[in-house]
Amino acid sequence: DTAVSQTPKYLVTQMGNDKSIKCEQNLGHDTMYWYKQDSKKFLKIMFSYNNKELIINETVPNRFSPKSPDKAHLNLHINSLELGDSAVYFCASSSRTTTGTGELFFGEGSRLTVL
Amino acid sequence: SQQGEEDPQALSIQEGENATMNCSYKTSINNLQWYRQNSGRGLVHLILIRSNEREKHSGRLRVTLDTSKKSSSLLITASRAADTASYFCATDNNNDMRFGAGTRLTVKP
Repeated sequence: DTAVSQTPKYLVTQMGNDKSIKCEQNLGHDTMYWYKQDSKKFLKIMFSYNNKELIINETVPNRFSPKSPDKAHLNLHINSLELGDSAVYFCASSSRTTTGTGELFFGEGSRLTVL
Repeated sequence: SQQGEEDPQALSIQEGENATMNCSYKTSINNLQWYRQNSGRGLVHLILIRSNEREKHSGRLRVTLDTSKKSSSLLITASRAADTASYFCATDNNNDMRFGAGTRLTVKP
């Protein structure tokens, strides 16, 4: 079984459309993340949820809205897509330990192309 | 904003040589982690070093941490062609995990 799975793997869409990317983890972790990786491979944190509560909300346009229906799921909805949204979006999960965040487990990424 | 900065940005070596990558960061941390990313894939965790540790080993990997200089290094010994990938450091600051820009390592057979 895949530990962190995200769908779809590829997404090609027109500017102005709305799209969603789903993420599920079966590791029992309490924290989930969304990262954006641009063409230069910079990996930027977008959101982090702990036990379904938003704990990190980076400076991203409010066209991006995360939703965590339960601890195992963190979905990303993007409204009014723009060319600059083209990137690979990674979902990840982890557990808190007594000494901080444990290792992150990443999904395989969702490559979004906005035309 | 980015937390860590890796250098070099790219590194090309021959199989059998050692590869050293460096990471600098800005804030206090709980721990620092190194990840590997093969082309077109997700990141995979390699090793975690806590803020009160100075050195850690795992197989051919050796990580050091200097909290006074806010820097870490990853050494891969006896490199193999299969080590070709991008390597990222990530810092944990109270559940806020931030990544550096990465080092692209190429190991030539």
